[in-house]
Amino acid sequence: EVQLVESGGGLVQPGGSLRLSCAVSGFSFSGIWMTWVRQAPGKGLECIGRITTTGSGGATAYAESVKDRFIISRDDSKNTLYLQMNSLKIEDTAMYYCTTLLIGRFHSWGQGTLVTVFS
Amino acid sequence: QSALTQPASVSGSPGQSITISCTGTSSDIGGYTYVSWYLQYPGKGPQLMIYDVNKRPSGVSDRLSGSKSANTAFLTISGLQAEDEADYYCCSYTTTSTSFYVFGTGTKVTVL
Repeated sequence: EVQLVESGGGLVQPGGSLRLSCAVSGFSFSGIWMTWVRQAPGKGLECIGRITTTGSGGATAYAESVKDRFIISRDDSKNTLYLQMNSLKIEDTAMYYCTTLLIGRFHSWGQGTLVTVFS
Repeated sequence: QSALTQPASVSGSPGQSITISCTGTSSDIGGYTYVSWYLQYPGKGPQLMIYDVNKRPSGVSDRLSGSKSANTAFLTISGLQAEDEADYYCCSYTTTSTSFYVFGTGTKVTVL
């Protein structure tokens, strides 16, 4: 069974940092592109970035809203995806989901971890 | 990159069919077949329901179908059931976002 379990969310002040993790099981993590998608309270979905497989260089791409502040990485030996969030803003408050990214689609999703940025 | 446009809400009675539209541009829906649809129950993570415009992952009901015309994609739910009540989001590959994907604004489906 495919499982994605996010963790690391919490309360943080503006300007602070947080690192989210996504532990995966049930599939070959090293062979799959991965993404982070967020959802602000009562709002829609936003893909904030993706990472290719390590074999493809582990290349990343980010939405303009988080570029130069967030970093996606992966550790294939631990079957874990990471999201390092720096210089957090109030508008980064959201549920953060990790997903697998197959060609053209976000295939499997976790249940999310909540990040609240408050002053 | 602006979100794709969906109606805020659509409703129908049990057994009826409903269709949700998702309007984009030639840089996303109109230019690619990478259109997908997601269902989200309250408090839960989204689930993939349709991909590549009209394909269903295994386990997804054949009451759901997808289509596309020009810059607009459609999700049709036939034989509406209580379990269909949820939020639905479309998504498309795009060349105008640095993250390469754009989601729709979301549609709340209500079963009357």
